[in-house]
Amino acid sequence: QQQVKQSPQSLIVQKGGISIINCAYENTAFDYFPWYQQFPGKGPALLIAIRPDVSEKKEGRFTISFNKSAKQFSLHIMDSQPGDSATYFCAASHSGGGADGLTFGKGTHLIIQP
Amino acid sequence: KAGVTQTPRYLIKTRGQQVTLSCSPISGHRSVSWYQQTPGQGLQFLFEYFSETQRNKGNFPGRFSGRQFSNSRSEMNVSTLELGDSALYLCASSLLAGSNQPQHFGDGTRLSIL
Repeated sequence: QQQVKQSPQSLIVQKGGISIINCAYENTAFDYFPWYQQFPGKGPALLIAIRPDVSEKKEGRFTISFNKSAKQFSLHIMDSQPGDSATYFCAASHSGGGADGLTFGKGTHLIIQP
Repeated sequence: KAGVTQTPRYLIKTRGQQVTLSCSPISGHRSVSWYQQTPGQGLQFLFEYFSETQRNKGNFPGRFSGRQFSNSRSEMNVSTLELGDSALYLCASSLLAGSNQPQHFGDGTRLSIL
């Protein structure tokens, strides 16, 4: 079964600190790795995504690091702010035949303390 | 540009009934995917439609079905509702077909089965 394992389940970070969320995958056919942010009562919002041809991608305070050999990728939130408090999901998918949608991690509940 | 619109936002049904949920994608987006979100199972892929055709389907029973219209709007139907169908149903749209394309989610329809 295709799986994406996400950790930690919950995370508390002080304002201004770095929040780090990790994901590991099994299916080597995965070729697209997005991160989503979800606030209560809202749908997931696409934050940033990476493809396996690069090892890092940065957009503002958000950075994805990707390690193809270890089959792991992580989200780093620099200078974390209280407004970043939300649930974060990593996901993965592939473009091959029979592709079956995004496979999501279980989510990380992030709390930024002021 | 308007985002993905899902209606209704909330729905209460009883076991055995059927329900139809609606999704209007971002203007210009031709692909619509549906996901189920529950606390226990997380986000799970239901199906994807592109150009009025179902491209692929997740591991859900045949009670779950969908369709897409020529204007790219989509509906999903669940027949013979069960208590376990209580969930947030999310629709996501993308410009092109395939789960390795950036997908943008609506805020979902919260379905409660009594």
